[in-house]
Amino acid sequence: KAGVTQTPRYLIKTRGQQVTLSCSPISGHRSVSWYQQTPGQGLQFLFEYFSETQRNKGNFPGRFSGRQFSNSRSEMNVSTLELGDSALYLCASSLKGEVTEAFFGQGTRLTVV
Amino acid sequence: ILNVEQSPQSLHVQEGDSTNFTCSFPSSNFYALHWYRWETAKSPEALFVMTLNGDEKKKGRISATLNTKEGYSYLYIKGSQPEDSATYLCASLRYGGSQGNLIFGKGTKLSVKP
Repeated sequence: KAGVTQTPRYLIKTRGQQVTLSCSPISGHRSVSWYQQTPGQGLQFLFEYFSETQRNKGNFPGRFSGRQFSNSRSEMNVSTLELGDSALYLCASSLKGEVTEAFFGQGTRLTVV
Repeated sequence: ILNVEQSPQSLHVQEGDSTNFTCSFPSSNFYALHWYRWETAKSPEALFVMTLNGDEKKKGRISATLNTKEGYSYLYIKGSQPEDSATYLCASLRYGGSQGNLIFGKGTKLSVKP
């Protein structure tokens, strides 16, 4: 079965712009989580969606938002981009979102200049 | 501890060596411990999900143990091969949380020299 697909793979944006990243989970998976990775840091949790509802949110400013559609596809939006938002953004899907293993996409590498 | 700590940060071994790394996590309200392998230019891939104190899991040459009372897990690789070169991540899930409450360590980067 197809894995988790993230688009685009690479993105360059200017400070102040906004960006939307997309994640298509594995078919049948209802939980989608987003993570940010910056150099020297572990994966930092952004938010989790389950059946179109945001179930958990990490400690990120309100400029970071997301949503999930009825087909479980998810989007993440970052408004008013800052240089510090340059990072690898990973999404992960899982069947139920509790103790089940997460399946990760290859990520979107965002560079803010 | 409230964070997930992994040690060592990096490790260089020769092909055929056996090795192990440590993951320390909050023992209070423990729910599950995940291990992932992340190869360069690929996606993190799940190795194990463990929930019970004393759990031992094995996949090929890789195994893991779990001590929830003292808050640590060990990952062992027997007879390391160059293809084992990757960053190994552990993540803790505390009780009452969902997948979104996975707290990741910074990983142990393993390099296996032929």
